Amino acid sequence: DAGVIQSPRHEVTEMGQEVTLRCKPISGHNSLFWYRQTMMRGLELLIYFNNNVPIDDSGMPEDRFSAKMPNASFSTLKIQPSEPRDSAVYFCASSNRDIEGYTFGSGTRLTVV
Amino acid sequence: AQTVTQSQPEMSVQEAETVTLSCTYDTSESNYYLFWYKQPPSRQMILVIRQEAYKQQNATENRFSVNFQKAAKSFSLKISDSQLGDTAMYFCALNSGYALNFGKGTSLLVTP
Repeated sequence: DAGVIQSPRHEVTEMGQEVTLRCKPISGHNSLFWYRQTMMRGLELLIYFNNNVPIDDSGMPEDRFSAKMPNASFSTLKIQPSEPRDSAVYFCASSNRDIEGYTFGSGTRLTVV
Repeated sequence: AQTVTQSQPEMSVQEAETVTLSCTYDTSESNYYLFWYKQPPSRQMILVIRQEAYKQQNATENRFSVNFQKAAKSFSLKISDSQLGDTAMYFCALNSGYALNFGKGTSLLVTP
């Protein structure tokens, strides 16, 4: 298995633009998570999907953020409009069993200028 | 509420020596899982070791072992025979529901 695949690896965009981050989880994993990592706040859970259904989106910072999982093999995190304070590394992770922990993708480093 | 605390922002160890990273946590759940993740400069999050709370035996993975003290809610990571490739951020994480809660991390530098 190729692991959790995220794209793009780096994204630089101008304030006000729409940004879409993509994730392909490991086949057979039924849970998918989006995390944001910053120096100030560390790793924060943004949203959790189970069997493609959003279960907890309480970590999504504001309405500018949205996430979808149209099928078991694909998820997106969209920011519209983007702001400089959204600059961070965004991780996608998937899991099948709690005890196994999560497998993380390599992350997307987003820079909003 | 679940919290994970790593009180050592930075640590340094010489190659071949042993180092212990500290982690304390708080949860009201009786069944939970604890993890240590490594994040090297490549930023990839790598699972190092896991521990089930109901197991008294401390987990071991090659040079990595944990000291799990359930009553004290402590979960420290011991790295034996440290190698230069162990230089990374190390995150302690707790799963007592469905989501991993992470500590702020400890930056470990292994020097020659």
